Amino acid sequence: KQEVTQIPAALSVPEGENLVLNCSFTDSAIYNLQWFRQDPGKGLTSLLLIQSSQREQTSGRLNASLDKSSGRSTLYIAASQPGDSATYLCAALAGSARQLTFGSGTQLTVLP
Amino acid sequence: DVKVTQSSRYLVKRTGEKVFLECVQDMDHENMFWYRQDPGLGLRLIYFSYDVKMKEKGDIPEGYSVSREKKERFSLILESASTNQTSMYLCASSLGTFQETQYFGPGTRLLVL
Repeated sequence: KQEVTQIPAALSVPEGENLVLNCSFTDSAIYNLQWFRQDPGKGLTSLLLIQSSQREQTSGRLNASLDKSSGRSTLYIAASQPGDSATYLCAALAGSARQLTFGSGTQLTVLP
Repeated sequence: DVKVTQSSRYLVKRTGEKVFLECVQDMDHENMFWYRQDPGLGLRLIYFSYDVKMKEKGDIPEGYSVSREKKERFSLILESASTNQTSMYLCASSLGTFQETQYFGPGTRLLVL
């Protein structure tokens, strides 16, 4: 059964720093890897989706990479801002049932 | 933009009540999903549907049922609410294939007393 782990569980950085969030998954036979953002008490917003055949995806200050062989994905946030403060979740799509398996998230706080 | 709406943001129910959570999407998506989110346990899939009147169990279907009579609407039913069903419930939808991204609603925070 797929397991997705995110480390660290929480991260606090000063504004302007570049940072990396980590995601690891146990079953490398994934269809895709997705990154979401969740603000307190709200639903999830899709940030980036990397298909299994891709190595990375970029959107503005965000860059996500995928290394299936090592079972890892990273989300790079450039020049962080207080508005980036949220919980970031990664999710892997795998298996015959094509279900998304979510990590527990990294709670990011960007200090002004 | 895709819009996924959920009927209530907050609900308070009594143990044993039958509870209906409604989800509507406006983008003609084939697939719809119900998750619950709990601290320390993350998001867990309860049920999903890939077509009208079709449903599949997720990881934690016990105590729940679903209904999809129309393509745009997916309902989650708690037949007899229990305190361990107190949680945040999130609905999502996606286009044709399962490789598409999922779009989430704002969530319903349910408290069962």
